[in-house]
Amino acid sequence: KAGVTQTPRYLIKTRGQQVTLSCSPISGHRSVSWYQQTPGQGLQFLFEYFSETQRNKGNFPGRFSGRQFSNSRSEMNVSTLELGDSALYLCASSLGWTSTDTQYFGPGTRLTVL
Amino acid sequence: GQQVMQIPQYQHVQEGEDFTTYCNSSTTLSNIQWYKQRPGGHPVFLIQLVKSGEVKKQKRLTFQFGEAKKNSSLHITATQTTDVGTYFCAVKDSGGYQKVTFGTGTKLQVIP
Repeated sequence: KAGVTQTPRYLIKTRGQQVTLSCSPISGHRSVSWYQQTPGQGLQFLFEYFSETQRNKGNFPGRFSGRQFSNSRSEMNVSTLELGDSALYLCASSLGWTSTDTQYFGPGTRLTVL
Repeated sequence: GQQVMQIPQYQHVQEGEDFTTYCNSSTTLSNIQWYKQRPGGHPVFLIQLVKSGEVKKQKRLTFQFGEAKKNSSLHITATQTTDVGTYFCAVKDSGGYQKVTFGTGTKLQVIP
């Protein structure tokens, strides 16, 4: 089975711009979660989607949004980029949403905001 | 909300020495998962513990779940340079749709 794929892998944007990141989960996985990883804050949960519905949301401003499509692929969008949004954005897929479901991470998208 | 603390934050060991990282929760957990992230890589699932007092081994790695299911540990015997990376614990409340909370991580550096 192919793993989780994320595109693009690297992105450079300037303040005020917006960005869309894409995630394709492992075939058959219906849950997709997004995380922001920075050296200072560790892995911070952004949101989780299951069957095209957002099931959970972390403590991020409304500039961060996402969606999931019927094929389970997911996108996240960040509008009005700030310098502090520079981070590695990781997507993880799992079969379901229960506490025992294992998450499989993609390679991430490294976003740099100038 | 769920709070998970990991200690230590950093650990430097000489190759061949042992290493342990601890994960402590403010609430009783239904289960706990451990992940490893190599430098420049992404988190990779290692193991899941479910039962109180459970101990699982993977070669030189030993994982333990506390009796009260509020803490867990990962112990590496005779570290090797391939063990370098950051180790995270992850927990998720049971019941309904709950978010996953990752521990703060322990960064392991192995000196050859």
